[in-house]
Amino acid sequence: DTAVSQTPKYLVTQMGNDKSIKCEQNLGHDTMYWYKQDSKKFLKIMFSYNNKELIINETVPNRFSPKSPDKAHLNLHINSLELGDSAVYFCASRPQGSPGTEAFFGQGTRLTVV
Amino acid sequence: AQSVTQLGSHVSVSEGALVLLRCNYSSSVPPYLFWYVQYPNQGLQLLLKYTTGATLVKGINGFEAEFKKSETSFHLTKPSAHMSDAAEYFCAVSGASGTYKYIFGTGTRLKVLA
Repeated sequence: DTAVSQTPKYLVTQMGNDKSIKCEQNLGHDTMYWYKQDSKKFLKIMFSYNNKELIINETVPNRFSPKSPDKAHLNLHINSLELGDSAVYFCASRPQGSPGTEAFFGQGTRLTVV
Repeated sequence: AQSVTQLGSHVSVSEGALVLLRCNYSSSVPPYLFWYVQYPNQGLQLLLKYTTGATLVKGINGFEAEFKKSETSFHLTKPSAHMSDAAEYFCAVSGASGTYKYIFGTGTRLKVLA
């Protein structure tokens, strides 16, 4: 049973479209993250939610809107997609208040904007 | 604010040779440090972590890392490289409790030569 699952795994879309990526974790964690990994493999934190509340928003264009319907889900909606949005997006989760505990990652969603 | 720096974006070693991947951290509080491995087209897998206590940490697949406060380092080593170790390696630092930050270094691509 997958701990952190993302859907879809691959997403190819045209510029200007709107798309969503879904993430679910069954670990009972309170904190969830979205990371963007670009072509150079840099992993950049985008957002963090704790118990459905936005905690971290790292200078991400407002075309990106995370939504957390409950603490087990953190979805990422992207409006007006641009070529530069092409990347691999990773979802992760951690227990709240446990800085010594590692984050658990999904398998990633490879977004290609054409 | 916490940060990590990985020296060397690409490292090549011969099969059977020592693997040394460098990570230096910056933190105003005692850091929690992690090493992850990413195989092609996959998510991130935890290799090992340092929280408190023993400064030499052993992980999976024969890897280990030593926390050196005086050098602000947490370098990853493996005595003998295998072809299967070829992957991207990331060092990460966790913020203190309540900050939720989980920041990655820029990654090191390990190539193992036959």
